[in-house]
Amino acid sequence: NAGVTQTPKFRILKIGQSMTLQCTQDMNHNYMYWYRQDPGMGLKLIYYSVGAGITDKGEVPNGYNVSRSTTEDFPLRLELAAPSQTSVYFCASSSETAYGYTFGSGTRLTVV
Amino acid sequence: QKEVEQDPGPLSVPEGAIVSLNCTYSNSAFQYFMWYRQYSRKGPELLMYTYSSGNKEDGRFTAQVDKSSKYISLFIRDSQPSDSATYLCAMSTDYGQNFVFGPGTRLSVLP
Repeated sequence: NAGVTQTPKFRILKIGQSMTLQCTQDMNHNYMYWYRQDPGMGLKLIYYSVGAGITDKGEVPNGYNVSRSTTEDFPLRLELAAPSQTSVYFCASSSETAYGYTFGSGTRLTVV
Repeated sequence: QKEVEQDPGPLSVPEGAIVSLNCTYSNSAFQYFMWYRQYSRKGPELLMYTYSSGNKEDGRFTAQVDKSSKYISLFIRDSQPSDSATYLCAMSTDYGQNFVFGPGTRLSVLP
Protein backbone atom coordinates (compact mmCIF):
# COMPACT_ATOMS: atom_id res chain seq x y z
CA ASN A 1 0.00 0.00 0.00
CA ALA A 2 1.87 3.07 -1.29
CA GLY A 3 -0.51 5.77 0.05
CA VAL A 4 0.11 9.10 -1.71
CA THR A 5 2.90 9.20 -4.28
CA GLN A 6 4.36 12.44 -5.60
CA THR A 7 6.77 12.90 -8.48
CA PRO A 8 9.25 14.39 -9.03
CA LYS A 9 10.91 14.83 -5.63
CA PHE A 10 13.05 17.75 -6.78
CA ARG A 11 12.93 20.10 -9.75
CA ILE A 12 14.63 23.29 -10.85
CA LEU A 13 12.70 25.41 -13.33
CA LYS A 14 13.66 28.53 -15.19
CA ILE A 15 11.38 31.56 -15.06
CA GLY A 16 8.61 31.19 -17.62
CA GLN A 17 8.84 27.41 -17.95
CA SER A 18 5.90 25.13 -17.20
CA MET A 19 5.68 21.78 -15.46
CA THR A 20 3.24 19.31 -13.97
CA LEU A 21 3.58 17.90 -10.46
CA GLN A 22 2.12 14.42 -10.31
CA CYS A 23 0.10 12.99 -7.41
CA THR A 24 -1.43 9.52 -7.19
CA GLN A 25 -3.20 7.82 -4.28
CA ASP A 26 -4.22 4.18 -3.99
CA MET A 27 -6.58 4.42 -1.00
CA ASN A 28 -9.72 5.23 -3.03
CA HIS A 29 -10.01 8.58 -1.22
CA ASN A 30 -12.52 11.03 -2.66
CA TYR A 31 -10.83 14.17 -1.42
CA MET A 32 -7.46 15.35 -2.66
CA TYR A 33 -5.50 18.52 -1.93
CA TRP A 34 -2.48 20.47 -3.06
CA TYR A 35 -0.58 22.54 -0.52
CA ARG A 36 2.53 24.61 -0.68
CA GLN A 37 4.76 25.02 2.35
CA ASP A 38 7.07 28.00 2.74
CA PRO A 39 9.42 28.40 5.72
CA GLY A 40 7.54 29.64 8.80
CA MET A 41 4.31 29.99 6.85
CA GLY A 42 2.68 26.61 7.35
CA LEU A 43 0.64 24.83 4.72
CA LYS A 44 -1.31 26.95 2.25
CA LEU A 45 -4.08 25.28 0.25
CA ILE A 46 -3.73 25.77 -3.50
CA TYR A 47 -6.52 23.60 -4.94
CA TYR A 48 -8.66 20.76 -3.77
CA SER A 49 -11.01 18.17 -5.23
CA VAL A 50 -13.98 16.37 -3.69
CA GLY A 51 -14.15 13.75 -6.42
CA ALA A 52 -13.35 12.95 -10.03
CA GLY A 53 -14.31 15.84 -12.29
CA ILE A 54 -14.72 18.34 -9.42
CA THR A 55 -12.05 20.83 -8.40
CA ASP A 56 -12.07 24.12 -6.52
CA LYS A 57 -9.68 26.89 -5.58
CA GLY A 58 -8.03 27.13 -2.22
CA GLU A 59 -6.30 30.04 -0.55
CA VAL A 60 -3.47 30.60 -3.08
CA PRO A 61 -4.56 29.33 -6.56
CA ASN A 62 -2.99 32.00 -8.77
CA GLY A 63 -0.44 30.61 -11.21
CA TYR A 64 -1.65 27.02 -10.83
CA ASN A 65 -4.18 24.70 -12.44
CA VAL A 66 -5.45 21.24 -11.59
CA SER A 67 -7.54 18.49 -13.09
CA ARG A 68 -9.11 15.35 -11.62
CA SER A 69 -10.05 12.91 -14.34
CA THR A 70 -9.80 9.84 -12.08
CA THR A 71 -10.17 9.16 -8.36
CA GLU A 72 -6.49 8.25 -8.12
CA ASP A 73 -4.74 11.16 -9.87
CA PHE A 74 -4.63 14.86 -9.08
CA PRO A 75 -1.88 16.63 -11.09
CA LEU A 76 -0.91 20.24 -10.41
CA ARG A 77 0.13 22.36 -13.38
CA LEU A 78 2.40 25.38 -13.12
CA GLU A 79 2.23 27.71 -16.09
CA LEU A 80 4.86 30.44 -16.61
CA ALA A 81 6.86 29.65 -13.47
CA ALA A 82 7.87 32.59 -11.27
CA PRO A 83 10.41 32.81 -8.40
CA SER A 84 7.47 33.26 -5.98
CA GLN A 85 6.50 29.66 -6.75
CA THR A 86 9.71 28.36 -5.21
CA SER A 87 8.36 26.17 -2.42
CA VAL A 88 7.76 22.63 -1.24
CA TYR A 89 4.54 21.19 -2.63
CA PHE A 90 2.54 18.52 -0.84
CA CYS A 91 -0.33 16.49 -2.14
CA ALA A 92 -2.74 14.95 0.37
CA SER A 93 -5.87 12.85 0.34
CA SER A 94 -8.71 12.06 2.73
CA SER A 95 -12.14 10.46 2.83
CA GLU A 96 -15.36 10.73 4.77
CA THR A 97 -14.32 7.76 6.89
CA ALA A 98 -10.58 8.32 7.23
CA TYR A 99 -8.89 9.94 10.19
CA GLY A 100 -7.15 13.02 8.88
CA TYR A 101 -5.12 13.51 5.76
CA THR A 102 -2.48 11.29 4.23
CA PHE A 103 0.34 13.33 2.77
CA GLY A 104 2.83 12.55 0.06
CA SER A 105 6.54 13.07 0.59
CA GLY A 106 6.58 16.39 -1.27
CA THR A 107 8.12 18.01 -4.34
CA ARG A 108 10.84 20.58 -3.71
CA LEU A 109 10.63 23.16 -6.52
CA THR A 110 13.07 25.97 -7.20
CA VAL A 111 12.39 28.60 -9.86
CA VAL A 112 15.47 30.53 -10.99
CA GLN B 1 -6.12 37.78 13.22
CA LYS B 2 -5.02 34.50 11.66
CA GLU B 3 -7.50 31.66 11.86
CA VAL B 4 -5.01 29.32 13.57
CA GLU B 5 -1.97 30.56 15.49
CA GLN B 6 0.98 28.58 16.73
CA ASP B 7 4.31 29.63 18.23
CA PRO B 8 6.91 28.76 15.56
CA GLY B 9 9.68 28.10 18.08
CA PRO B 10 12.25 26.71 17.89
CA LEU B 11 11.67 24.98 21.19
CA SER B 12 14.66 23.14 22.66
CA VAL B 13 14.27 20.77 25.60
CA PRO B 14 16.51 18.13 27.23
CA GLU B 15 15.76 14.47 26.70
CA GLY B 16 13.15 13.21 29.15
CA ALA B 17 11.39 16.56 29.54
CA ILE B 18 7.64 17.05 29.22
CA VAL B 19 6.87 19.12 26.14
CA SER B 20 3.79 21.29 25.72
CA LEU B 21 2.84 22.48 22.23
CA ASN B 22 -0.12 24.79 21.75
CA CYS B 23 -2.43 26.34 19.17
CA THR B 24 -5.10 28.98 19.44
CA TYR B 25 -7.87 29.53 16.95
CA SER B 26 -10.59 32.04 16.20
CA ASN B 27 -13.38 29.97 14.58
CA SER B 28 -15.64 28.63 17.34
CA ALA B 29 -17.22 26.22 14.82
CA PHE B 30 -14.09 24.04 14.66
CA GLN B 31 -14.89 20.61 16.08
CA TYR B 32 -12.22 18.31 14.66
CA PHE B 33 -8.61 18.73 15.69
CA MET B 34 -5.46 17.07 14.52
CA TRP B 35 -1.76 17.12 15.32
CA TYR B 36 0.80 16.25 12.69
CA ARG B 37 4.50 15.56 13.04
CA GLN B 38 6.79 16.53 10.20
CA TYR B 39 10.40 15.44 10.06
CA SER B 40 12.84 17.51 8.03
CA ARG B 41 12.32 17.07 4.27
CA LYS B 42 9.35 14.72 4.79
CA GLY B 43 5.60 15.02 4.50
CA PRO B 44 3.46 15.56 7.62
CA GLU B 45 2.21 12.40 9.32
CA LEU B 46 -0.89 12.21 11.50
CA LEU B 47 -0.13 11.92 15.21
CA MET B 48 -3.40 12.55 17.03
CA TYR B 49 -7.03 13.18 16.05
CA THR B 50 -9.60 14.49 18.52
CA TYR B 51 -13.21 15.56 18.34
CA SER B 52 -14.71 18.42 20.37
CA SER B 53 -13.40 19.07 23.88
CA GLY B 54 -11.49 16.79 26.21
CA ASN B 55 -8.32 14.74 26.33
CA LYS B 56 -7.03 11.88 24.26
CA GLU B 57 -3.98 9.84 25.16
CA ASP B 58 -1.81 7.63 22.94
CA GLY B 59 1.37 6.34 24.51
CA ARG B 60 3.60 9.29 25.41
CA PHE B 61 1.31 11.75 23.61
CA THR B 62 -1.76 13.52 25.03
CA ALA B 63 -3.96 15.86 23.01
CA GLN B 64 -6.13 18.32 24.86
CA VAL B 65 -8.90 20.54 23.49
CA ASP B 66 -10.46 23.45 25.35
CA LYS B 67 -13.16 24.80 23.07
CA SER B 68 -14.28 27.44 25.57
CA SER B 69 -10.82 29.02 25.33
CA LYS B 70 -10.30 28.09 21.66
CA TYR B 71 -7.03 26.44 22.66
CA ILE B 72 -5.55 23.04 21.92
CA SER B 73 -2.43 21.40 23.28
CA LEU B 74 -0.20 18.45 22.59
CA PHE B 75 1.84 17.07 25.48
CA ILE B 76 4.80 14.78 24.95
CA ARG B 77 6.03 12.88 28.03
CA ASP B 78 9.55 11.50 28.37
CA SER B 79 10.61 13.30 25.20
CA GLN B 80 13.20 11.58 23.01
CA PRO B 81 15.65 12.92 20.41
CA SER B 82 13.51 11.10 17.82
CA ASP B 83 10.67 13.50 18.72
CA SER B 84 12.68 16.35 17.17
CA ALA B 85 10.45 17.57 14.35
CA THR B 86 7.98 20.29 13.43
CA TYR B 87 4.53 19.83 14.94
CA LEU B 88 1.53 21.17 13.04
CA CYS B 89 -1.94 21.60 14.46
CA ALA B 90 -4.95 21.48 12.14
CA MET B 91 -8.66 21.92 12.69
CA SER B 92 -11.93 21.80 10.79
CA THR B 93 -15.68 22.08 11.06
CA ASP B 94 -16.04 18.95 8.90
CA TYR B 95 -14.96 15.39 9.58
CA GLY B 96 -12.24 14.34 7.13
CA GLN B 97 -11.88 17.53 5.09
CA ASN B 98 -11.34 21.31 4.94
CA PHE B 99 -8.71 21.40 7.65
CA VAL B 100 -6.90 24.67 8.39
CA PHE B 101 -3.27 24.26 9.44
CA GLY B 102 -1.20 26.21 11.89
CA PRO B 103 2.33 27.26 10.83
CA GLY B 104 4.00 24.61 13.00
CA THR B 105 6.33 24.60 16.01
CA ARG B 106 9.86 23.31 15.53
CA LEU B 107 10.94 21.11 18.46
CA SER B 108 14.46 19.94 19.26
CA VAL B 109 15.00 17.34 21.98
CA LEU B 110 18.63 17.37 23.03
CA PRO B 111 20.31 14.13 24.21
